[in-house]
Amino acid sequence: EAAVTQSPRNKVTVTGGNVTLSCRQTNSHNYMYWYRQDTGHGLRLIHYSYGAGNLQIGDVPDGYKATRTTQEDFFLLLELASPSQTSLYFCASSDLGGSETLYFGSGTRLTVL
Amino acid sequence: QQNVQQSPESLIVPEGARTSLNCTFSDSASQYFWWYRQHSGKAPKALMSIFSNGEKEEGRFTIHLNKASLHFSLHIRDSQPSDSALYLCAAAASSGSWQLIFGSGTQLTVMP
Repeated sequence: EAAVTQSPRNKVTVTGGNVTLSCRQTNSHNYMYWYRQDTGHGLRLIHYSYGAGNLQIGDVPDGYKATRTTQEDFFLLLELASPSQTSLYFCASSDLGGSETLYFGSGTRLTVL
Repeated sequence: QQNVQQSPESLIVPEGARTSLNCTFSDSASQYFWWYRQHSGKAPKALMSIFSNGEKEEGRFTIHLNKASLHFSLHIRDSQPSDSALYLCAAAASSGSWQLIFGSGTQLTVMP
């Protein structure tokens, strides 16, 4: 089973704060993703990457930056956090995008006060 | 832009029932169709996929895909309390660079 590790598990910050969510996969997958999950909206794609140094924009990118530093590591950055970004964030990885299984991390619950 | 809709939003069934969950998609060029299951407090996990019209069965679970009607569904035979979870459908098309777009989910509760 593919392994995707997210940190931290929980994070509380204030409006305007700076937050970095981390994700590491150890499966040599090409694709890595950041999703947010909110009640009534399912999973919404923020950003994704198909390799180190690559970044693709998802469906809800506003207010988020991301960086893929290595094959294994993908970071989500909130530089001026807002209460609307309070959510459960999932990182995922896969080998070939939509035709292959996505493996999800355990999630990071972010609260912006 | 792909739009994926699920119905119903929630469903309560007795143990042993046959359960049907529905998903519609908007992009007729979609090629990859998935169901993911998410137990409370856990990460989503892939359940089944289908890539061509028709039916696919794995144990108690069956997927039906009808591309012409932009619809696919998940059927659970002999539903068990352990099947209680949030079920998320997803579809991928070239318009979205073949990345999965998820529906909003169906919350299934199977009563013992």
